[in-house]
Amino acid sequence: QVQLVESGGGVVQPGRSLRLSCAASGFTFSSYAMHWVRQAPGKGLEWVAAISYDVSKKFYADSVKGRFTISRDNSENTLYLQMNSLRPEDTAVYYCSREARGLNAFDLWGQGTMVTVSA
Amino acid sequence: EIVLTQSPGTLSLSPGERATLSCRASQSVSSSYLAWYQEKPGQAPRLLIYGASSRATGIPDRFSGSGSGTDFTLTISRLEPEDFAVYYCQQYGSSLTFGGGTKVEIK
Repeated sequence: QVQLVESGGGVVQPGRSLRLSCAASGFTFSSYAMHWVRQAPGKGLEWVAAISYDVSKKFYADSVKGRFTISRDNSENTLYLQMNSLRPEDTAVYYCSREARGLNAFDLWGQGTMVTVSA
Repeated sequence: EIVLTQSPGTLSLSPGERATLSCRASQSVSSSYLAWYQEKPGQAPRLLIYGASSRATGIPDRFSGSGSGTDFTLTISRLEPEDFAVYYCQQYGSSLTFGGGTKVEIK
């Protein structure tokens, strides 16, 4: 079954760290660029970070640059998001998504994992 | 950063009616880099349209996309009960941004 399953969310205090994981299955993970997209409660979608299929390129939204790090382990079919210096405004559901090759769009999404940053 | 502005914020329509959703970009966007998604409560977004006008796999033909430059449109020709949801446009040319969304609700 082709799917993405996120984990690692939870409640964390401001300034602390959290690492999210996204387990991929049912497709050749190492052939696809992958992204993290988040959605704050009651708000729209916000792109967070991207990583190329071969790890050679990484991109970040200005709002998380210098605090978040995207990575992947193609041998384990897993995508990661290391989140440091968390802020209350980082509170959101975090989705991992697959970039469809050649389509410049996301054709597969996980169900999301909730991150709450609160004292 | 390219800002995408979606209008209207909410569209109140009845099943069977036609829905027209707008996405306006602050700068020109290549059609190849404009996509539309549908999101329902408690579910992940679903890709509807890519390249401004191409339907994704499994998307019914009542969904169509059009436009170029700074103005793009998603049209649902006849609303089915399952189409009431929030719709987002997204550009992937200059960085990557989403519009604020249009909620299509039952009138």
